[in-house]
Amino acid sequence: ETGVTQSPTHLIKTRGQQVTLRCSSQSGHNTVSWYQQALGQGPQFIFQYYREEENGRGNFPPRFSGLQFPNYSSELNVNALELDDSALYLCASSLTGPGDTQYFGPGTRLTVL
Amino acid sequence: AQRVTQPEKLLSVFKGAPVELKCNYSYSGSPELFWYVQYSRQRLQLLLRHISRESIKGFTADLNKGETSFHLKKPFAQEEDSAMYYCALTGSGGGADGLTFGKGTHLIIQP
Repeated sequence: ETGVTQSPTHLIKTRGQQVTLRCSSQSGHNTVSWYQQALGQGPQFIFQYYREEENGRGNFPPRFSGLQFPNYSSELNVNALELDDSALYLCASSLTGPGDTQYFGPGTRLTVL
Repeated sequence: AQRVTQPEKLLSVFKGAPVELKCNYSYSGSPELFWYVQYSRQRLQLLLRHISRESIKGFTADLNKGETSFHLKKPFAQEEDSAMYYCALTGSGGGADGLTFGKGTHLIIQP
């Protein structure tokens, strides 16, 4: 069984740019969630996709958007990057739906200069 | 708004000593509580969840609704328990509100 994978591992962008982060769910998992983890903080929920539909969102502005594909892989897009967007972005998938145990990927470290 | 508080940023205990990592929460309904752990150079992983009532790696956690706490305990700490521990909750909406995490406690077990 393949675990959750994320790409790229690290990324450096400048303020105002756009970025796309990718996540491949664990095999058979139909739910994916994205989290932002700033340095010294716990992960913060961005949004969740269940069977290709967004079904939950945290307190993040609309410039954070996402997609889930038929194979349940996912993208997180962030437009108009700000310095405060610098963080570790974590993807988590679960097997049977939103209330199930979430399995985390290794994260993508985004630095905005 | 839901919130998870872990009052200790760092906790250092000696091997063989008891460990208690504190977690308090605020939520207006019936939350589901979790402990996640991150060992050095590894990804975040589930340690235990309150509904399963399991003991994982010797750790237990009891949900105290009166005190809104979900403290993690282990009677005898081992060096391999050194890690970052996060308490988290999800609401009664079937998990669609995601997990709300505390800031984490860095546990160091000294030999």
